[in-house]
Amino acid sequence: RKEVEQDPGPFNVPEGATVAFNCTYSNSASQSFFWYRQDCRKEPKLLMSVYSSGNEDGRFTAQLNRASQYISLLIRDSKLSDSATYLCVVKSGGSARQLTFGSGTQLTVLP
Amino acid sequence: EADIYQTPRYLVIGTGKKITLECSQTMGHDKMYWYQQDPGMELHLIHYSYGVNSTEKGDLSSESTVSRIRTEHFPLTLESARPSHTSQYLCASSDSRTGGGEKLFFGSGTQLSVL
Repeated sequence: RKEVEQDPGPFNVPEGATVAFNCTYSNSASQSFFWYRQDCRKEPKLLMSVYSSGNEDGRFTAQLNRASQYISLLIRDSKLSDSATYLCVVKSGGSARQLTFGSGTQLTVLP
Repeated sequence: EADIYQTPRYLVIGTGKKITLECSQTMGHDKMYWYQQDPGMELHLIHYSYGVNSTEKGDLSSESTVSRIRTEHFPLTLESARPSHTSQYLCASSDSRTGGGEKLFFGSGTQLSVL
């Protein structure tokens, strides 16, 4: 079983829709959680950190469920520019080795 | 915008050649990383550095080597390229002084094809 698992998608949604992705992690000692965005053939960029109480940044909301060991990303009012792959990243310790990337969920927002 | 640069952007090379992928950052970050990513797959850490003269291998076995003689420069070298080395190589950096170190800034990557 992978340490970090994501539904690869693709998720094809119309502009203006609300879409949510989940990511599950296997290490219960995981400490920190993040969502990165990666456009096609480009480098990943940090979208947002995920805090225990949940957090929001504009149209994006991140949630953490430690009991069930998953994090989620909700995108409201989807824009064409949201089309990308969303990577779940989990940190289970202080070493660079302990930062684990999921393989990503592909989102396409259709006009 | 991140100030981290990788060259070349694309490299097509024959088996057995020695190659060096360049990575430089101008942000003064202490940590630097090399990741390997195949299409549709997760990033795998192959090397990292906590500072000058500090380098460690990551989880993914790699025949490459790295050096960190200067803070801003973290080149990756393959002594003898093979087709199995064909992949995208992403360099990243982070600043541990900002309290997290998890905000990675990535370069644009080098797409390596070994024929």
